[in-house]
Amino acid sequence: EVQLLESGGGLVQPGGSLRLSCVASGFTFSSYAMNWVRQAPGKGLEWVSSITGPHGDRIYYADSVRGRFTISRDNSKNTLYLQMNSLRAEDTAIYYCARDLWGLYYFDYWGQGTLVTVSS
Amino acid sequence: NFMLTQPHSVSESPGKTVTISCTRSSDSSASNYVQWYQQRPGSSPTTVIYENDQRPSGVPDRFSGSVDSSSSSASLTISGLKTEDEGDYYCQSYDTNNHAVFGGGTKLTVL
Repeated sequence: EVQLLESGGGLVQPGGSLRLSCVASGFTFSSYAMNWVRQAPGKGLEWVSSITGPHGDRIYYADSVRGRFTISRDNSKNTLYLQMNSLRAEDTAIYYCARDLWGLYYFDYWGQGTLVTVSS
Repeated sequence: NFMLTQPHSVSESPGKTVTISCTRSSDSSASNYVQWYQQRPGSSPTTVIYENDQRPSGVPDRFSGSVDSSSSSASLTISGLKTEDEGDYYCQSYDTNNHAVFGGGTKLTVL
């Protein structure tokens, strides 16, 4: 059974940093592109970042986070990461990790999400 | 970049049919597949349609998807509506910069 389990969310002050993790199980993690998608309270889904290739050689970011967020993966630990720096109030959201079945942005499995709150 | 535009909300009675539209602003990624996700309150999104018109296993055939290339739009149709179909529905595709794009979401009410 495919499972994605996010962690690392919490309350952080504006300008602060946080690192999210997503532990995958039930499939060969290194064979799949992985993504982060977020959802602000009461709002819609917003794609954040993707990492493709077994070595993470292709990485893409939404304009809203480029230069502040860094996506990475550790295939030996079956774990996806999102390092978030210079956090802003508008980054407050539930952050989901999602598996991309074919590397064409079809998100076939999602985690349960982890809440990030940026507030003073 | 492009945008996917959905109606904010739709409502229909149980047993009826509803169609949710997703209109793509013009750009060269018009041939990229469209997915549809259902999100019930407090839950993560799940796929109801992928690659324009394909249903994942376990999704009832009451759900169908289509694309009209002439109008750059996709549609999700749900027939035989049930109260359990209530939730938010999002269309999604990606652009020429390899950025995924979601529509703003449509709240479906079955009353």
